[in-house]
Amino acid sequence: DVVMTQSPLSLPVTLGQPASISCRSSQSLLYSDGSTYLNWFQQRPGQSPRRLIYKVSNRGSGVPDRFSGSGSGTDFTLKISRVEAEDVGVYYCMQGTHWPPITFGQGTRLEIK
Amino acid sequence: QAQLVESGGGVVQPGRSLRLSCEASGFTFSTSGMNWVRQAPGKGLEWVAAIWYDGSNKYYRDSVKGRFTISRDNSKNTLYLQMNSLRAEDTAVYFCAREWLGGMDIWGQGTTVTVSS
Repeated sequence: DVVMTQSPLSLPVTLGQPASISCRSSQSLLYSDGSTYLNWFQQRPGQSPRRLIYKVSNRGSGVPDRFSGSGSGTDFTLKISRVEAEDVGVYYCMQGTHWPPITFGQGTRLEIK
Repeated sequence: QAQLVESGGGVVQPGRSLRLSCEASGFTFSTSGMNWVRQAPGKGLEWVAAIWYDGSNKYYRDSVKGRFTISRDNSKNTLYLQMNSLRAEDTAVYFCAREWLGGMDIWGQGTTVTVSS
């Protein structure tokens, strides 16, 4: 199984400041079709997960452009350019390249300082 | 708008069965792969099972193989998860989610399953 490792697990951020979350996979997520199936999800308190980013760097429908994804191979990053109060929650990376099983990172809890 | 609504959760004793349903609307269910994902209390997300758009292929995580069955009825726009021989460690909120481009773009609100004597 592909292990997804996120860091940090807790991220206190001041409003208006940038934030960055790292996700590393135990093997390359580059698929034979040339795509890399790495996703980022946001789960606000008491809500269902919401997809932010698919295929490393593509923002989902309605996702603000302050969210961006980057990376390749085994190393990926989610960046928030300026954190807003509504960004509080837990962020997960997920790989859909080597499955089953589909695997998620442990989650990173973002809070406002 | 696209929506998924789960139902069927509840409190059940260890060893018993439960069937979850997920009704889809606002998108073409019959051409969409679907997943079940669960979240134990205070824990992270865990993929459970997936099914192709036509039901021809099904996949499970090891810990539920032989106990859980994913299925779908495209005429009813509904996804199912039959859960047998339930264990305490199956206690979780169960989400259904649509597969899209190697990820999951539409999620339901979840249904809670509690396995306890």
